[in-house]
Amino acid sequence: NAGVTQTPKFRILKIGQSMTLQCAQDMNHNYMYWYRQDPGMGLKLIYYSVGAGITDKGEVPNGYNVSRSTTEYFPLRLELAAPSQTSVYFCASSGGGPNQPQHFGDGTRLSIL
Amino acid sequence: AQSVTQLGSHVSVSEGALVLLRCNYSSSVPPYLFWYVQYPNQGLQLLLKYTSAATLVKGINGFEAEFKKSETSFHLTKPSAHMSDAAEYFCAVTHGNQFYFGTGTSLTVIP
Repeated sequence: NAGVTQTPKFRILKIGQSMTLQCAQDMNHNYMYWYRQDPGMGLKLIYYSVGAGITDKGEVPNGYNVSRSTTEYFPLRLELAAPSQTSVYFCASSGGGPNQPQHFGDGTRLSIL
Repeated sequence: AQSVTQLGSHVSVSEGALVLLRCNYSSSVPPYLFWYVQYPNQGLQLLLKYTSAATLVKGINGFEAEFKKSETSFHLTKPSAHMSDAAEYFCAVTHGNQFYFGTGTSLTVIP
């Protein structure tokens, strides 16, 4: 079972470039999430979605955009990359509801130089 | 807003010793609480979850956690540490559709 798949695993961007981080899940989960993880800071929620066509901001949405056209995919877009966006990005999915655990991908390590 | 506090960003124990990782939460309503483990270069994996069915929750790999409402705590324990337990551990609480994670505790196991 693939679970949550994130691509690419690593990427180096120049300041001002744009890119899309891909996330796919094969568990038919309605809920999907994007987090960033910085050393000593835990995980911060960027955006989340409770179903196709529905997205909402999390704690740190500035500089990012998302879309959710299907249940399976939840891409994260960086429009104008900045050094502050250097981080490890994790996508997660869950079956929904506050008592359901999240399933995580292996992350995308992004460096902005 | 909900939050969790993990006391101790780094914990070291000897192999075979008790593991105790601390987590306190703030919540105005009965919470749902989770512990996750993260191995290097991997995503987070669920260790265990508390959803009000029982105060003592058993998870994978011999870990367990006890929910104490009076102390607003959900500490993670394991009676005997193994070298393979070396990892980062995160406590999390949910509120609505969002998860709130602690800042993590890095566990080192000394042979």
